[in-house]
Amino acid sequence: GDSVTQMEGPVTLSEEAFLTINCTYTATGYPSLFWYVQYPGEGLQLLLKATKADDKGSNKGFEATYRKETTSFHLEKGSVQVSDSAVYFCALSDSSNQGGKLIFGQGTELSVKP
Amino acid sequence: DAGVTQSPTHLIKTRGQQVTLRCSPKSGHDTVSWYQQALGQGPQFIFQYYEEEERQRGNFPDRFSGHQFPNYSSELNVNALLLGDSALYLCASRVGRVSSYEQYFGPGTRLTVT
Repeated sequence: GDSVTQMEGPVTLSEEAFLTINCTYTATGYPSLFWYVQYPGEGLQLLLKATKADDKGSNKGFEATYRKETTSFHLEKGSVQVSDSAVYFCALSDSSNQGGKLIFGQGTELSVKP
Repeated sequence: DAGVTQSPTHLIKTRGQQVTLRCSPKSGHDTVSWYQQALGQGPQFIFQYYEEEERQRGNFPDRFSGHQFPNYSSELNVNALLLGDSALYLCASRVGRVSSYEQYFGPGTRLTVT
């Protein structure tokens, strides 16, 4: 079945460091891909999305490119801030699963130190 | 514009009891999905409601049931609670069932079963 695999955390970075969180997926159809962020004690917020191969999603300095050849959707940010500390989830929604339920990775916790 | 709202925020129940969680979707959204997020894990899809019918279901037992009302709000019912049902329950809404459309999440209901 469809699945999403993320790099394990926690990831600890200093402020202004470069961030990469790896995400790879397995899907039978042509999925849309998402990154969601969860701040402590809160629900999930959509960070960015890409709906077809080679699309680049971007928001708040974060970027991710839909790579069909490597089945990947890695999240990057050039300079992280303390306020970026949160748990990040990669997810897919496959057009073949009749309604687009989201399948999530296990999440990667990011901690940014001043 | 109110986003997705859920009630209650927190709930403590005893093993064997029944619980009902409530969700109001974002304005203009007609599709509601429920997810279970165990501590330290990614959300797992429970089911999706559209036009007051369950349209898609994840790998959850029949103890988990739901309902969608004509105003698109939804309830999640869990019978015969088990300790393992302790989790954050997230409601998400979207327009229609197109997989590329993003889902917006509520803050969740934290259920603790003792």
